[in-house]
Amino acid sequence: EADIYQTPRYLVIGTGKKITLECSQTMGHDKMYWYQQDPGMELHLIHYSYGVNSTEKGDLSSESTVSRIRTEHFPLTLESARPSHTSQYLCASSVVGVADTQYFGPGTRLTVL
Amino acid sequence: AQTVTQSQPEMSVQEAETVTLSCTYDTSESDYYLFWYKQPPSRQMILVIRQEAYKQQNATENRFSVNFQKAAKSFSLKISDSQLGDAAMYFCAYRTSQGGSEKLVFGKGTKLTVNP
Repeated sequence: EADIYQTPRYLVIGTGKKITLECSQTMGHDKMYWYQQDPGMELHLIHYSYGVNSTEKGDLSSESTVSRIRTEHFPLTLESARPSHTSQYLCASSVVGVADTQYFGPGTRLTVL
Repeated sequence: AQTVTQSQPEMSVQEAETVTLSCTYDTSESDYYLFWYKQPPSRQMILVIRQEAYKQQNATENRFSVNFQKAAKSFSLKISDSQLGDAAMYFCAYRTSQGGSEKLVFGKGTKLTVNP
């Protein structure tokens, strides 16, 4: 398994709270991604980054924001959590190379009450 | 836009037997990459196998192999000598080869159960 970490693994929080999901990787990968996955469903890209100070929105519209101040760190923030944000959030990273294979973190399962 | 279809929501196999998971995709591109990812319950998603569209030879990784039919836009995964640890959700994914587009397009997944 790749060296990519996410914290917390599980989070239950009330509506209106600000939350930050952490993602870090120790592989020196330039590219990082955030996916959203509802239970039993496919993954949808919500944010990605090509490197420090680079962030882009993915296909699935999301109220979350991201930042990339350091190569190894790509946190995702929700300013005001809502029940509709309940989902699993997966972070991934890749290095330029054959097929730019993406390596995934363990995910954060978020429940907003 | 590219799409990936996995027509089997669930599959089951007896331990030590062989199972094939189906995946079809739609694209107008000639060069791209295809992946199979495995997601065990409550565990990390890991890459199982990767295929470059320009390669005619089917990729293999130990007990895992693919049947890549470019004209038919089909990319099935064969698991030989199935083991209990193979039980997981399996996702087929497509990625364009065009520079600057990093998106992986995933299918909805196939849940594989391995029976002892």
